[in-house]
Amino acid sequence: AQSVAQPEDQVNVAEGNPLTVKCTYSVSGNPYLFWYVQYPNRGLQFLLKYITGDNLVKGSYGFEAEFNKSQTSFHLKKPSALVSDSALYFCAVSDSGAGSYQLTFGKGTKLSVIP
Amino acid sequence: KAGVTQTPRYLIKTRGQQVTLSCSPISGHRSVSWYQQTPGQGLQFLFEYFSETQRNKGNFPGRFSGRQFSNSRSEMNVSTLELGDSALYLCASSDGTGGETEAFFGQGTRLTVV
Repeated sequence: AQSVAQPEDQVNVAEGNPLTVKCTYSVSGNPYLFWYVQYPNRGLQFLLKYITGDNLVKGSYGFEAEFNKSQTSFHLKKPSALVSDSALYFCAVSDSGAGSYQLTFGKGTKLSVIP
Repeated sequence: KAGVTQTPRYLIKTRGQQVTLSCSPISGHRSVSWYQQTPGQGLQFLFEYFSETQRNKGNFPGRFSGRQFSNSRSEMNVSTLELGDSALYLCASSDGTGGETEAFFGQGTRLTVV
């Protein structure tokens, strides 16, 4: 079975500083990895995905993620954090086995950007 | 392009009642998935429908059911509500062609069981 781990429940960073939100995964085959963000009382918004190819993936709102196969990690990064980046971030892996579509999510990391 | 629409946004129900939640996916998307989000368990997969067929189901009791219509709109039903069913229920829409495609989520229905 596939799984995703987000080792940090909360990450605090000062505005303007770089941020990293960590994610590790476990899958049996090639991983399809995603990052989503959730603002209070809202659904999830897609940020970026890794399918294949370049290990550095660029996404929405200046976010990027680095895929590392040997460490089975897919960390989310941003060079300069904004207060508006404060939200709940979810890493996910998809499973299209048996002809279905299902996302398995990590527990989420609350990002707080301090002015 | 319109996004994923979930109705209603908020619901308050009494234990033992049943509830039906609705989801309209993005036009052209044939896959609709449902997830339950709670503070303790996080995001858990309920089931996925594609072209009116349930393709996959998560580890939830039979009180949780769903269906999909020919226009891809989906409903989920929870019968005999329990206090623990209080959660944010999220619907996700995708083209369903493969695991590499991203899903787009609605704003969710907040269900409170009292």
